[in-house]
This record gives sequence, structure tokens and C-alpha cells, in this order.
Amino acid sequence: DAKTTQPTSMDCAEGRAANLPCNHSTISGNEYVYWYRQIHSQGPQYIIHGLKNNETNEMASLIITEDRKSSTLILPHATLRDTAVYYCIVRVADRDDKIIFGKGTRLHILP
Amino acid sequence: KAGVTQTPRYLIKTRGQQVTLSCSPISGHRSVSWYQQTPGQGLQFLFEYFSETQRNKGNFPGRFSGRQFSNSRSEMNVSTLELGDSALYLCASSLAPSGGVKTQYFGPGTRLLVL
Repeated sequence: DAKTTQPTSMDCAEGRAANLPCNHSTISGNEYVYWYRQIHSQGPQYIIHGLKNNETNEMASLIITEDRKSSTLILPHATLRDTAVYYCIVRVADRDDKIIFGKGTRLHILP
Repeated sequence: KAGVTQTPRYLIKTRGQQVTLSCSPISGHRSVSWYQQTPGQGLQFLFEYFSETQRNKGNFPGRFSGRQFSNSRSEMNVSTLELGDSALYLCASSLAPSGGVKTQYFGPGTRLLVL
């Protein structure tokens, strides 16, 4: 079973920041938080990952709480092309490649 | 750098047939994983290959098999197809550095329809 809990769906106005929450209260010390998104009928796209510190790249920012029991993915200026299902995943990233996907959050960007 | 490529992109088969799907990882990536995605079950892990060896396996029947070649390209095979095998089959590759963080990058998938 997936070790994360995400809202089923969210709406965000175009041009605003989209903040997608994820709970992972049973995360272990050696587990990373990963985010992927899947645009309809395409393969999942890697967005960002982190262990303890907040991370930022050209796509998004990842904010991880100090106790690591939850995190938030931030898309700073959402566009219609950001409409997708967003998956939050926790995994031991330096071991095997198996990813256990949950149901994710379906993000709708509203014009 | 080219991404993960999968062939064919679309496939129609009938029950009882067998099918082979192909995946070419990102250049330099040595680990390949396969996933099945259906509306009912979501994304489910099938198996993972590294250096031509199956390293991990999901909870699928023996009709689902795979292999990896010395150039890291991988194939998966499904024998005696059932209607429920209709799905999007996704392949992912990672660099698999020793002791380092492994990030998987996915291909576009092969959509299989079983009639």
C-alpha cells in the first residue's frame, strides 16, 4: 500500500501558486519524498524529490516539514498545462527502483 | 539526451494471444522497471531489471515476464492474454548509481487493448 495520503482533487486559478499537500506520517529516516505528475495518457513525469531540506528546481518547490510527516509541492505560477494527476511517493531511493503509487491528486487549473 | 522510448505505442490483440513490448532506457541508464496502469488498479509495479537480472518483482501472475539485454534494453512479454490485461504499460529507467539516489524517468507507455 502507498504510504502517503493526498486529497483526491484540487482546483487552482491560472497564474496562481498551486500548493499540493501530502501526508506521510510513517515515513522512515532513510525514505525520500518524490513527486511525479501524469498528464492524461502520458507516462509519469518526474518533478522533484527531497529528504529533509526544502528543494527547488525549474519546475517546482518542495517544502518538507521539520518532522518530515508531511510535505507540500508548490507550482509557483500554474498554467493550463499543469493540469494533471500529481503523485506523492516516499521510498528508499538508494535501494531498489520499485515505486508504490497511490491515487494521487487530480489538479485542475482553471482559466 | 533522448528519453525513454517504448514500442509499439499502441497495440490491439485478442484473448489467448501473446504480446512483447519493448523499452529502450535513457542512454547510460542500467536499471529498467515496468508498470501496468489500469483505471481500476492504478499504477502497479511489475518488475525491475538491472544488469540483465530481475532484481524485484511485483504481484503479477507468471504470464507476465521480462528480460533485459546487455545494452540495457528491456522487453516484457504477456502470454495467454486476458481482457483484464488491457492497460497502459509503462517503462522507467534510472541511472542506478551505487549507493546513490535513484530517480526513475518514465517512457510514454504502450497502450494495449485486448479484445
